[in-house]
Amino acid sequence: EVQLVESGGGLVQPGGSLRLSCAASEFTFSSYSMNWVRQAPGKGLEWVSHISGSSSTIYYADSVKGRFTISRDNAKNSVYLQMNSLRAEDTAVYYCARYCSSPSCQGGFDYWGQGTLVTVSS
Amino acid sequence: EIVLTQSPATLSLSPGERATLSCRASQSVSSYLAWYQQKPGQAPRLLIYDASNRATGIPARFSGSGSGTDFTLTISSLEPEDFAVYYCQQRFNWPPFTFGQGTKLEIK
Repeated sequence: EVQLVESGGGLVQPGGSLRLSCAASEFTFSSYSMNWVRQAPGKGLEWVSHISGSSSTIYYADSVKGRFTISRDNAKNSVYLQMNSLRAEDTAVYYCARYCSSPSCQGGFDYWGQGTLVTVSS
Repeated sequence: EIVLTQSPATLSLSPGERATLSCRASQSVSSYLAWYQQKPGQAPRLLIYDASNRATGIPARFSGSGSGTDFTLTISSLEPEDFAVYYCQQRFNWPPFTFGQGTKLEIK
């Protein structure tokens, strides 16, 4: 069964940094794009960042551009989110989610991790 | 950026009733719309993709319809486990992928 397991969340002061990891298993990791989606407490879902299977295509939400960096290591079946210059409004549960756009795939974020909580507070 | 507006914000129904949830896009997304279910403390789960295709393992009581700017998620007969928050999401014009604000389906 496909599994995505996030780690690396925690409490950080405003202006600080944090690196999230998402370990994938039971699928051909390099064949899929990966995304980070966040959810502030009591709020809805917000897409954060996307990386293609080969890392050739990377996108960010305007709210995190210039502060967050997405990367992946296909040899380790992992995707990462380096978060710098963190703000209170970055406080959220961060999910990694698998995405495949080919016609043979389910056209959405078909598997999600359980999420990791990032709290930005002094 | 395509804005998705879901209605109603909250829907109060009883088990066994039919639920109809709406998602309207600010411009056409063709059929590139998905629906997700999220229960408290859990990650979202893909229910419907490309407007009307059930994801793997999703019961037949869930169905999706629509194209262009207006979409509907229908739950034909509510089971106790269906009470949750539902989100729509478009993948027609991205980045960014955008989500609706959610509809909370609660027990009446």
